[in-house]
Amino acid sequence: ETGVTQTPRHLVMGMTNKKSLKCEQHLGHNAMYWYKQSAKKPLELMFVYSLEERVENNSVPSRFSPECPNSSHLFLHLHTLQPEDSALYLCASSQEGGGEQYFGPGTRLTVT
Amino acid sequence: GENVEQHPSTLSVQEGDSAVIKCTYSDSASNYFPWYKQELGKRPQLIIDIRSNVGEKKDQRIAVTLNKTAKHFSLHITETQPEDSAVYFCAAPMDTGRRALTFGSGTRLQVQP
Repeated sequence: ETGVTQTPRHLVMGMTNKKSLKCEQHLGHNAMYWYKQSAKKPLELMFVYSLEERVENNSVPSRFSPECPNSSHLFLHLHTLQPEDSALYLCASSQEGGGEQYFGPGTRLTVT
Repeated sequence: GENVEQHPSTLSVQEGDSAVIKCTYSDSASNYFPWYKQELGKRPQLIIDIRSNVGEKKDQRIAVTLNKTAKHFSLHITETQPEDSAVYFCAAPMDTGRRALTFGSGTRLQVQP
């Protein structure tokens, strides 16, 4: 295990549902990331949190809402998603300033 | 911002042959270039990286070369084995504070036994 965990591993939700993805890192890192991985765009950065402050939004739709309560936890709140949002959502962490990113196993999201 | 292009998108080689994957980047100030390997159903994992103060780095059968003038870097895998079959991603730092990485579009490598 790499020290980055994600729950749930699989999620099926309707377009009117509200759900949250959770990520936790046990590596002592101070930067965390959300990526979307799909056939169309293999590794697309969504959000960056550094020292618990959001520093990159990357033009993600507002139906995705991140939350980083502390340096070890990262959430992605989902509401009124579209079928095209179906993808693998990967969390990653690193030390501030760049360097190796450690990825979690991902949440496979299906929007019906 | 940084733009990273990766080629080829798919690559099939015979076991024992070499494989080369190339990436170009746009920001001449970029100074860190990692390569990630993602096996089917698994998370991306760093396999090798290079910083801009060196031109080549080697780790057993894997090597990365960097040409700063031409703004491209390459992954070289020698004596390929079936377990090398995976998707490989190159990356370079985004320009904003260098905190995040911009990834290439990935190369699916298939090593035929």
